[in-house]
Amino acid sequence: DVKVTQSSRYLVKRTGEKVFLECVQDMDHENMFWYRQDPGLGLRLIYFSYDVKMKEKGDIPEGYSVSREKKERFSLILESASTNQTSMYLCASSRTGGTTDTQYFGPGTRLTVL
Amino acid sequence: GENVEQHPSTLSVQEGDSAVIKCTYSDSASNYFPWYKQELGKGPQLIIDIRSNVGEKKDQRIAVTLNKTAKHFSLHITETQPEDSAVYFCAASGPYGNNRLAFGKGNQVVVIP
Repeated sequence: DVKVTQSSRYLVKRTGEKVFLECVQDMDHENMFWYRQDPGLGLRLIYFSYDVKMKEKGDIPEGYSVSREKKERFSLILESASTNQTSMYLCASSRTGGTTDTQYFGPGTRLTVL
Repeated sequence: GENVEQHPSTLSVQEGDSAVIKCTYSDSASNYFPWYKQELGKGPQLIIDIRSNVGEKKDQRIAVTLNKTAKHFSLHITETQPEDSAVYFCAASGPYGNNRLAFGKGNQVVVIP
């Protein structure tokens, strides 16, 4: 089975802190994604990566950056956390960039910024 | 870009009844339509998908139908059970590469025992 793990289930940070959210997949997938999930807004794509060191902006990249130094690991970085970044963050991966490839999701990290 | 609308936002059904969730999409070039189920405390998981060259697909108690002309697709759950209670997301993607999905806002389904 594909496994996507996220470093923390719950995280509490202060405004202005630099925050790292880590995601690891164990199936040698090429594509990885970061979404945020907010009530009434569904899943919104922040960034995705189709190869090591490659990244593309999603729909809401402002205030975020990403890093993919190794194929299995995709990090989401909040350079200076703000209260409006309080959310559930979901990581996903897919085998390739093919249109019909299944995206496999991690359990999510619920981030609270105080 | 693609815009996916999902209705209704909440659906309550009696156990054993059927549930239907509808989604519309805006980009006529979209050709892949997956449905994800998110149980409490978990990430979304793919339950069924359909490609644009197919009108209907079934998998046990769940089915998805696609109307390309009207640009809408629906998830049908028959003989609902308590374990069907979850949030369901529809999504759409087009032939643009990179497996980028546009998700609907989600639908909370509650199955009443």
